[in-house]
Amino acid sequence: DAGVIQSPRHEVTEMGQEVTLRCKPISGHDYLFWYRQTMMRGLELLIYFNNNVPIDDSGMPEDRFSAKMPNASFSTLKIQPSEPRDSAVYFCASRLGGEGSPLHFGNGTRLTVT
Amino acid sequence: SQKIEQNSEALNIQEGKTATLTCNYTNYSPAYLQWYRQDPGRGPVFLLLIRENEKEKRKERLKVTFDTTLKQSLFHITASQPADSATYLCALEGGTGFQKLVFGTGTRLLVSP
Repeated sequence: DAGVIQSPRHEVTEMGQEVTLRCKPISGHDYLFWYRQTMMRGLELLIYFNNNVPIDDSGMPEDRFSAKMPNASFSTLKIQPSEPRDSAVYFCASRLGGEGSPLHFGNGTRLTVT
Repeated sequence: SQKIEQNSEALNIQEGKTATLTCNYTNYSPAYLQWYRQDPGRGPVFLLLIRENEKEKRKERLKVTFDTTLKQSLFHITASQPADSATYLCALEGGTGFQKLVFGTGTRLLVSP
């Protein structure tokens, strides 16, 4: 089991540029979550999918953020245009089953927007 | 609004002692509470889950309690080791939205030899 795989591990970009973060969940898991972690706000849920369908995107900060899950083994989180306040660590997590099941996290993408 | 509070100050203890971390919540009625460990540069790793109808759960040197009246969970590590040094996060699920695991900001534990 390779675990949840995220790429890239680090991303440095200039303000205004488009950023795409990628996630490969654990095979067979039916839920996928995107979180953002900062020192000030901790781990914040951005959006989650069930069977590739977005269920709740109420945590997405604004229209500059979008997420897709075209199939069960791949998801993207896109920021366009990026801003310095988007700098954070972005985590993808997956799980098998609904409430009460543990989340399996990737090691995150550290995004720095200058 | 819903709030999950963990002590933001680091907890420093000596090897061999029991570490006790606290998770308090308000305006929330979770059905499940989970504890995770996070090491620098890594994603959180699941440790234990406890349900609202359970008072206590144990796993090896770990023990979690869940008091829905006090709205509090305590996380204990007995016979602590320097390798236990990490940030520990509590997470709640249930109430207003199942499937949404909401995390506290975490408490950093430092175990010195």
